[in-house]
Amino acid sequence: LAKTTQPISMDSYEGQEVNITCSHNNIATNDYITWYQQFPSQGPRFIIQGYKTKVTNEVASLFIPADRKSSTLSLPRVSLSDTAVYYCLVGDINTGGFKTIFGAGTRLFVKA
Amino acid sequence: GAVVSQHPSRVICKSGTSVKIECRSLDFQATTMFWYRQFPKQSLMLMATSNEGSKATYEQGVEKDKFLINHASLTLSTLTVTSAHPEDSSFYICSARARTGLRSDTEAFFGQGTRLTVV
Repeated sequence: LAKTTQPISMDSYEGQEVNITCSHNNIATNDYITWYQQFPSQGPRFIIQGYKTKVTNEVASLFIPADRKSSTLSLPRVSLSDTAVYYCLVGDINTGGFKTIFGAGTRLFVKA
Repeated sequence: GAVVSQHPSRVICKSGTSVKIECRSLDFQATTMFWYRQFPKQSLMLMATSNEGSKATYEQGVEKDKFLINHASLTLSTLTVTSAHPEDSSFYICSARARTGLRSDTEAFFGQGTRLTVV
């Protein structure tokens, strides 16, 4: 399983764009990159998933360079409610019993 | 999206008793379920992987006789904390993955978690 490295914490202000970068130097060919969000005392919530280039959905964008050794989660115009821990996970989603292993995550604090 | 329901959301038990936590996939069949434990300000720690119809696979350092996992059907997995002690107090979270071939197979869906307090 590829190890991931993220900043421990980030601060931002409401209305700003936030970019959280995750390093995964040992990513394998079949690995996908998935980001989750977790609020205190709740289970993680799926944000976005990608394999290469760029993926966008209604809440975020995911940028993956050609070498796939890193990825960046982009949250446009954050609000106070985006204060949470964000986890970057890497793994082969098509493998039976694919384990969702969590790293330390990035604690995002959005200020007014 | 798919829904995973965990019950109870909170439980307080006396030291030495056993506690069962249920994890149900409400609108899909889950061939694989995962159980995690999370201490305050820390990340989720994978405890075990549960496959329907077979024995659970435990991560290193997790006592299988202490944390009994039963994946009885494609929609239900249970975690029983046996002879609970105060150090077992934690936030327990389950997740489920769908059968291969469905759109939702590409992601794991998480329950809302169970706060266990052993007194």
